[in-house]
Amino acid sequence: KAGVTQTPRYLIKTRGQQVTLSCSPISGHRSVSWYQQTPGQGLQFLFEYFSETQRNKGNFPGRFSGRQFSNSRSEMNVSTLELGDSALYLCASSPRGFGIRTEAFFGQGTRLTVV
Amino acid sequence: GESVGLHLPTLSVQEGDNSIINCAYSNSASDYFIWYKQESGKGPQFIIDIRSNMDKRQGQRVTVLLNKTVKHLSLQIAATQPGDSAVYFCAENALLTGGGNKLTFGTGTQLKVEL
Repeated sequence: KAGVTQTPRYLIKTRGQQVTLSCSPISGHRSVSWYQQTPGQGLQFLFEYFSETQRNKGNFPGRFSGRQFSNSRSEMNVSTLELGDSALYLCASSPRGFGIRTEAFFGQGTRLTVV
Repeated sequence: GESVGLHLPTLSVQEGDNSIINCAYSNSASDYFIWYKQESGKGPQFIIDIRSNMDKRQGQRVTVLLNKTVKHLSLQIAATQPGDSAVYFCAENALLTGGGNKLTFGTGTQLKVEL
């Protein structure tokens, strides 16, 4: 079974630009979550999608958004990039259903550098 | 609160020795915990999980202990190998209103295995 696939692996963007990151979950997993990892803040929850609906959102500005498609693939978008958005963005998929907690499996991440 | 913290940022052990990585959590309502291993350039890899109705759970060379009284959990790695060198995170999987999930991560412990 293929793991979580994130594309691209690396990105360099300029301040003010916008970026879209993609995540393909493990086949059969309907829950996709996004996390931001930085040396200063560690791993921070961005949002979770389940069956194309955003169930929860972390404490990030509205510049961070996402969506999930009917095949469970997910994208996250960051608009008006700031230098502080430079981070490793991780996607995690899980077979969990409503109210069910199970382990989440992470992709390799997308390393975003804003210059 | 939901903070999950680690006692030691770096742990150095000799190859073949046992390693113990500790984690404290503050949310007394937390009832599901996961340990992840993250190697350089990779996403977090699931190691083992434990639910609050258990005090101990064993995997292959790893054991997780949960002490709900003092809100503490630990990861024990037996016969530590060079391949165990990585950053280890504990995470609390919180069930949110609306049925959503999110992982709250600790700050991480760097495990270094010395030959």
